Amino acid sequence: GAGVSQSPSNKVTEKGKDVELRCDPISGHTALYWYRQRLGQGLEFLIYFQGNSAPDKSGLPSDRFSAERTGESVSTLTIQRTQQEDSAVYLCASSLYRTNTGELFFGEGSRLTVL
Amino acid sequence: AQTVTQSQPEMSVQEAETVTLSCTYDTSESDYYLFWYKQPPSRQMILVIRQEAYKQQNATENRFSVNFQKAAKSFSLKISDSQLGDAAMYFCAYSRQGGSEKLVFGKGTKLTVNP
Repeated sequence: GAGVSQSPSNKVTEKGKDVELRCDPISGHTALYWYRQRLGQGLEFLIYFQGNSAPDKSGLPSDRFSAERTGESVSTLTIQRTQQEDSAVYLCASSLYRTNTGELFFGEGSRLTVL
Repeated sequence: AQTVTQSQPEMSVQEAETVTLSCTYDTSESDYYLFWYKQPPSRQMILVIRQEAYKQQNATENRFSVNFQKAAKSFSLKISDSQLGDAAMYFCAYSRQGGSEKLVFGKGTKLTVNP
């Protein structure tokens, strides 16, 4: 596609439920990133994929968070047993591997609200 | 670990005037990238301007320019002839050079443009 696509745009769930957030990167971008943005805050790094592998998952806040990527394309971020503190916008970004610009291209994010 | 600090949570400027947003960072690397991203209410992060650390010349993009002081680890953004459409959150970000390095973000500055 022309840009990074994320779904759902908004998700409201009850505490304790599992949620899945999806990211479709720009075609040909082998690097993919997930970030979390709490209300009024900056972006917190969660995980980085190169192809289908995740060489850096240092930002995942707990074992309730997991992510996978298939076909060097779509990625899914899963949050199990959601808590109210998980409420945030989850942003996905992609880039070319070994880009000479360092630029990441972002989607519009998925806003998660945990009641 | 690299850190990025934006000391101005909010700034305001009159339309057509100039405003400067501040950013400092901490790193032990000699080669890296610095970025300013804009986040309007649509949530999508948009690259405003970037700077390679090895370049002494300050980057400019139309009305946007930076003052990069490598020794002081300072990277400020100047917006000239401010327009109503410039109103947004502005995030300063850092990445190490090479490969597909994650961006480390500051907490952001909310810019208001008054008519």
